[in-house]
Amino acid sequence: QSALTQPASVSGSPGQSITISCTGTSSDVGAYDYVSWYQQHPGKAPKLMIYDVSNRPSGVSNRFSGSKSGNTASLTISGLQTEDEADYYCTSFTGTTVVFGGGTKLTVL
Amino acid sequence: EVQLVESGGGLVQPGGSLRLSCSASGFTFNNYWMSWVRQAPGRGLQWVASIQRDGSEKKFVDSVKGRFTISRDNAKNSLSLQMNSLRAEDTAVYYCARLIAVAHFDYWGQGTLVTVSS
Repeated sequence: QSALTQPASVSGSPGQSITISCTGTSSDVGAYDYVSWYQQHPGKAPKLMIYDVSNRPSGVSNRFSGSKSGNTASLTISGLQTEDEADYYCTSFTGTTVVFGGGTKLTVL
Repeated sequence: EVQLVESGGGLVQPGGSLRLSCSASGFTFNNYWMSWVRQAPGRGLQWVASIQRDGSEKKFVDSVKGRFTISRDNAKNSLSLQMNSLRAEDTAVYYCARLIAVAHFDYWGQGTLVTVSS
């Protein structure tokens, strides 16, 4: 199973909005509304930010939102804050297992 | 409070074996699928294995099939990963994670480092 495709890096200034894409295939992202997003700070465990394409777990800021169109899912972070600087990973259900994206490093300038 | 605590990592020679454990608390363990996810140094996350609530169904990423075994002891709220025939490319931090609806991981442990090197 090939990894989902994410940009290696994105950047933005405090207060701005950014979007991270996650491209899969018609067998994973395009087939199921089971895309999730994780935030990982250096040396820390990943944290679930979005599940089932666009749902936020309790306690996650509403500045984080998710969407999907065809084989590409997206994570949007609005009102960027310095603490949002981290690595972000998407995942998708494949019908049998889960596949991760390669990860995107978000830099808040 | 949900807690997942991994243990058992360390340095092992290529071809060797290691057994990782994950102790769970704060939730009804036997109600959930559980998984192992790993992260090689400086690399991204990779799903490794998952096990169904009663242990009857197990899934593995192709690269570890035949070498790794996942198991659970619901009486002890414990998850294990037996790793045999270890290779340098298995070097990673291994995370224990709770799997929801076969599709997302809502709680993660702090990870345990496995280093395969001579």
